[in-house]
Amino acid sequence: AQSVTQPDIHITVSEGASLELRCNYSYGATPYLFWYVQSPGQGLQLLLKYFSGDTLVQGIKGFEAEFKRSQSSFNLRKPSVHWSDAAEYFCAVGLYSGGGADGLTFGKGTHLIIQP
Amino acid sequence: DGGITQSPKYLFRKEGQNVTLSCEQNLNHDAMYWYRQDPGQGLRLIYYSQIVNDFQKGDIAEGYSVSREKKESFPLTVTSAQKNPTAFYLCASSSGVSQPQHFGDGTRLSIL
Repeated sequence: AQSVTQPDIHITVSEGASLELRCNYSYGATPYLFWYVQSPGQGLQLLLKYFSGDTLVQGIKGFEAEFKRSQSSFNLRKPSVHWSDAAEYFCAVGLYSGGGADGLTFGKGTHLIIQP
Repeated sequence: DGGITQSPKYLFRKEGQNVTLSCEQNLNHDAMYWYRQDPGQGLRLIYYSQIVNDFQKGDIAEGYSVSREKKESFPLTVTSAQKNPTAFYLCASSSGVSQPQHFGDGTRLSIL
């Protein structure tokens, strides 16, 4: 069965410092991978997605992620974080059957805290 | 603006009562989904529908039911058989295979 692991439950980063959030997946085929961000009490906003092609993908708000097949990883990075980046971040893998999109499997999330 | 509307934002359920959460989208998406979010657990798939009048169980469908009579609407009923319904419920939609899901702002369900 497919699964997504986000090893870090909480991460604290100083404002202006670089950020890397880890994501590892287990999936039998080439996965469709996503990073979402969630502010408290809100829905999820898509940051970026990987389907195929270039393994380094750019997203919104200055985020990027790199797909590494050999490590089964899809880590999210940002060169310089802002206080507004404090939120919950979710990595997800897409499940697709022959009939269409079956749904996403999510990691348990990483809570990002920004120190002034 | 196109989007997904979930209502109500907060909902309370009495013991033994069924409650229905609304999800409407005007994105013209074929596929719709319901997820449950518990603290520290991420999101788990309850039901999904890839086309009108058809839906499939997700990982945690027990105690829930859905219908998909219109493309725009995918209501979720939390039945009295769901013994631990307190959670944050998120509805999503997508235009199909290889497309990302768009999420509503969620409904928080609590037990009275």
